[in-house]
Amino acid sequence: NAGVTQTPKFQVLKTGQSMTLQCAQDMNHEYMSWYRQDPGMGLRLIHYSVGAGITDQGEVPNGYNVSRSTTEDFPLRLLSAAPSQTSVYFCASSYSIPGGQYNSPLHFGNGTRLTVT
Amino acid sequence: QQQVKQSPQSLIVQKGGISIINCAYENTAFDYFPWYQQFPGKGPALLIAIRPDVSEKKEGRFTISFNKSAKQFSLHIMDSQPGDSATYFCAAKAAGNKLTFGGGTRVLVKP
Repeated sequence: NAGVTQTPKFQVLKTGQSMTLQCAQDMNHEYMSWYRQDPGMGLRLIHYSVGAGITDQGEVPNGYNVSRSTTEDFPLRLLSAAPSQTSVYFCASSYSIPGGQYNSPLHFGNGTRLTVT
Repeated sequence: QQQVKQSPQSLIVQKGGISIINCAYENTAFDYFPWYQQFPGKGPALLIAIRPDVSEKKEGRFTISFNKSAKQFSLHIMDSQPGDSATYFCAAKAAGNKLTFGGGTRVLVKP
């Protein structure tokens, strides 16, 4: 049981380059989300999805795109990388909306450390 | 502006001592308050959670205290152990789909 798998673990980009961070889960979870973690800022929600074909913006969506074509996968695209996007990115999934009627916990991957120079 | 303010940013405690982390919020619509624990190189994992209809919840050495009138909640780690050294995040959620996290507290338990 792999849980939430993120690839790559590390990435260095030049300003203006684009890339896709991959996220896959094997728990048949409906809810998936992307967070970025920066020192002192905690975890900030970028985008989330409540099911295949449905996505919505979080707190800091600018510069990022997502799509959810399958239940398992939720890739995050950086369209034109900027130094401000240097961060650690976490994908997380849960059975249903976290804190909803099922008290579903978020299951996090181990993160992708991205550096934009 | 963070909707959930967490303090302190870091904490050093001796083995066997009590670690206390505090969080404050403004949004009275928040109805779910979890705490997550993160070890270096790993993603956060749910530790314990509370809803505002109870004032305290205990799981082993970890206790959440909730003060609805003060809009504050805290995590107490009793008998702290070196294995508890980690970063702890409080979070809150209102009706809807967004879980908002605090800034995190790095806890170091000295043997």
